[in-house]
Amino acid sequence: DVKVTQSSRYLVKRTGEKVFLECVQDMDHENMFWYRQDPGLGLRLIYFSYDVKMKEKGDIPEGYSVSREKKERFSLILESASTNQTSMYLCASSLRHPGRRNTIYFGEGSWLTVV
Amino acid sequence: DQQVKQNSPSLSVQEGRISILNCDYTNSMFDYFLWYKKYPAEGPTFLISISSIKDKNEDGRFTVFLNKSAKHLSLHIVPSQPGDSAVYFCAATDSGGSNYKLTFGKGTLLTVNP
Repeated sequence: DVKVTQSSRYLVKRTGEKVFLECVQDMDHENMFWYRQDPGLGLRLIYFSYDVKMKEKGDIPEGYSVSREKKERFSLILESASTNQTSMYLCASSLRHPGRRNTIYFGEGSWLTVV
Repeated sequence: DQQVKQNSPSLSVQEGRISILNCDYTNSMFDYFLWYKKYPAEGPTFLISISSIKDKNEDGRFTVFLNKSAKHLSLHIVPSQPGDSAVYFCAATDSGGSNYKLTFGKGTLLTVNP
């Protein structure tokens, strides 16, 4: 089974702090993603990466950056956390060309509260 | 502009009855569609998918129907069970694109009452 592991399930950070959310996958997937989920807004893509050191902006990249130094690890960075970044963050991974069973696999999520 | 729309934020059904969740899309390049199920405080899990070359795909109690001309798909759950209560996300992709990226709808909260 694919496993996507997010290092922190629950975090509370102060406004202005730098926040790191870490994600590791064990299936040698090329693609990795960061989403956030907010009530009434669904899942919104922040950034994705299709290879080591490669990244592309998603729909809501403002206030975030990412790092992919190793294939299995994808980090989301909030340079200066703000209260409107309080949310559930979801990491996901997939094969580059998944073939017939196209799907992506999600981690369990990280609840971030910025106070 | 929302390319994948789930117009019903919530749906309530009785145990044993059919649940029908709907999804519309606007991007004609989308050719692969997926449904994900999400419980509170957990990540979404893949449920079922369908390629645009088909109009129906079935997996146990779950069936997805695709109407390409109407750009509409639906998920049928028969019979519905209380454990099916969750948020259901519809997602779509252009599988011929250079990178695999899903566009999600906003989700529908399904409540199955015992």
